Amino acid sequence: AQSVTQLDSQVPVFEEAPVELRCNYSSSVSVYLFWYVQYPNQGLQLLLKYLSGSTLVKGINGFEAEFNKSQTSFHLRKPSVHISDTAEYFCAVKVPSGGYQKVTFGTGTKLQVIP
Amino acid sequence: DTAVSQTPKYLVTQMGNDKSIKCEQNLGHDTMYWYKQDSKKFLKIMFSYNNKELIINETVPNRFSPKSPDKAHLNLHINSLELGDSAVYFCASSQDAVENEQFFGPGTRLTVL
Repeated sequence: AQSVTQLDSQVPVFEEAPVELRCNYSSSVSVYLFWYVQYPNQGLQLLLKYLSGSTLVKGINGFEAEFNKSQTSFHLRKPSVHISDTAEYFCAVKVPSGGYQKVTFGTGTKLQVIP
Repeated sequence: DTAVSQTPKYLVTQMGNDKSIKCEQNLGHDTMYWYKQDSKKFLKIMFSYNNKELIINETVPNRFSPKSPDKAHLNLHINSLELGDSAVYFCASSQDAVENEQFFGPGTRLTVL
């Protein structure tokens, strides 16, 4: 079964500084990878996804992530964060299949942008 | 227009009561989900329906019973509520069970006293 690990539960960063949120996964087969964002008191919203092709994926709000198969990682980055980026970020993995498969979410990383 | 909506947004109730949470999506999706998010923000799938058919049923107590009257609705009924049921419950939908992006509702915060 697949699993996903987000090592950092909280990441404080100053406004306009760069940030990287780490995500590692484990799976014996190829996977699809996702990053979702959850703003306070809201549901999750898709930031970006990797299905195949280019390993560098660009998402909404200036975020991007790079799929690294050898390191089984899918770290999320933003070159300059804004106060409005303060939120919880979830990495997720899905094993593609002709049948039904569930998405497994990581435990989340809280990004705190400091003014 | 809200894509995935849930009612109620907040639910406070006593132990032992029975309650329901409703979910509706107007995206024309075939697949709907219920997730439970605990106080540590851990998000875990509970159920998934595809065209009104149950396709995912995680290890959830029998007190939880999903019902899908049509593919636009997936309701969650909980019997004999316990303190440990306190959490935020999210409904989500996707185009189908293979489609990769899920659209989430705003959540229902359930507090059991």
